[in-house]
Amino acid sequence: NAGVMQNPRHLVRRRGQEARLRCSPMKGHSHVYWYRQLPEEGLKFMVYLQKENIIDESGMPKERFSAEFPKEGPSILRIQQVVRGDSAAYFCASSPSGGPGEQFFGPGTRLTVL
Amino acid sequence: AQSVTQLGSHVSVSEGALVLLRCNYSSSVPPYLFWYVQYPNQGLQLLLKYTTGATLVKGINGFEAEFKKSETSFHLTKPSAHMSDAAEYFCAVSEDSNYQLIWGAGTKLIIKP
Repeated sequence: NAGVMQNPRHLVRRRGQEARLRCSPMKGHSHVYWYRQLPEEGLKFMVYLQKENIIDESGMPKERFSAEFPKEGPSILRIQQVVRGDSAAYFCASSPSGGPGEQFFGPGTRLTVL
Repeated sequence: AQSVTQLGSHVSVSEGALVLLRCNYSSSVPPYLFWYVQYPNQGLQLLLKYTTGATLVKGINGFEAEFKKSETSFHLTKPSAHMSDAAEYFCAVSEDSNYQLIWGAGTKLIIKP
């Protein structure tokens, strides 16, 4: 059973470009969470999605950031017009249900904005 | 509001010595508590978790943690450190009715030969 997959693992963008991060949850998991980890900090919750629905996006910046989890295919975190402050590691996690409990993490995408 | 405090951003121990990583939390309701480990340039792996029941929880790689409600603590221990334990460790908490994980800032464990 493959774990949570994220790609790309490393992404370099220039200021003003778009970054698109992908996450494929574990088989059988329909709940996806995105977190951001800034250097020397813990993870910060960004958004929680189920298939075709955004359940909670309270941790996501109101501008430039969006997320989706379509019926088919991976979850996508999109950052438009990236700025240097967006440089961070972005982790995706999945779980079989939306309640409390273990979340299974992918290896992360490390975004560098030049 | 929930919060998690990990005392010490870096902890250094000698190989074979006791590992103690501290985690304190604030929560108005019974929490679910987790310890995750992150090796360099990798994702997070669950070490152990407390939900209900026995307050002493055993995890992978010889780690264990004890939930102490009176102290609002969930410290992580291992009797004898190995070089392979060098990593960053994160404590996280969620309330029993909420999926959101609130994270500590992490503690980097350094193992001295």
